[in-house]
Amino acid sequence: AQTVTQSQPEMSVQEAETVTLSCTYDTSENNYYLFWYKQPPSRQMILVIRQEAYKQQNATENRFSVNFQKAAKSFSLKISDSQLGDTAMYFCAFMKQNAGGTSYGKLTFGQGTILTVHP
Amino acid sequence: DARVTQTPRDKVTEMGQEVTMRCQPILGHNTVFWYRQTMMQGLELLAYFRNRAPLDDSGMPKDRFSAEMPDATLATLKIQPSEPRDSAVYFCASGTGTRSDEQYFGPGTRLTVT
Repeated sequence: AQTVTQSQPEMSVQEAETVTLSCTYDTSENNYYLFWYKQPPSRQMILVIRQEAYKQQNATENRFSVNFQKAAKSFSLKISDSQLGDTAMYFCAFMKQNAGGTSYGKLTFGQGTILTVHP
Repeated sequence: DARVTQTPRDKVTEMGQEVTMRCQPILGHNTVFWYRQTMMQGLELLAYFRNRAPLDDSGMPKDRFSAEMPDATLATLKIQPSEPRDSAVYFCASGTGTRSDEQYFGPGTRLTVT
């Protein structure tokens, strides 16, 4: 079974600064996907960024980027130029990929990190 | 702008009552997932469907929970009878079932059982 651990229950950052959220996972699988989801106070789960384990290049989406270290089983999220709208709970999630190339679909989530951006 | 819809958004009910939550996946998506979010357990998968067939419901208490997809545009999650420990936010998500299978979440149903 896979486990995902987010060791920072809460983080805070000043507007326009950079913050990094940590995530580690445990799996015996070689092929999988990793995700970061954002959940603002509205409770809507929003996909922030995705990383395929077979890709060495770190994924980026505008102000969001990841540092994927496969050997260390680490998947951190960096938010640059933080904005007030980034205030939310952030979840790291793992999805196994089956031998046929499709996914099993099941997301295993970490416990989440509450990020507060201060003006 | 395609999105997953869920009804009701909030539901308060008394212990012992039947609760039905509905989800309309994004048109064209063939995988549907039900997740439950609580403070203690976080987000956990209850069940999921591919092409309307249930593939995994191991996370669901079988004695009181049931999940179905009557057609490709509707997924339901029923609890009968409901208990206070079922109080949680229930999310539906849908995906394309392809290699990367990104899942798109609905707004959730907040269930309170008194």
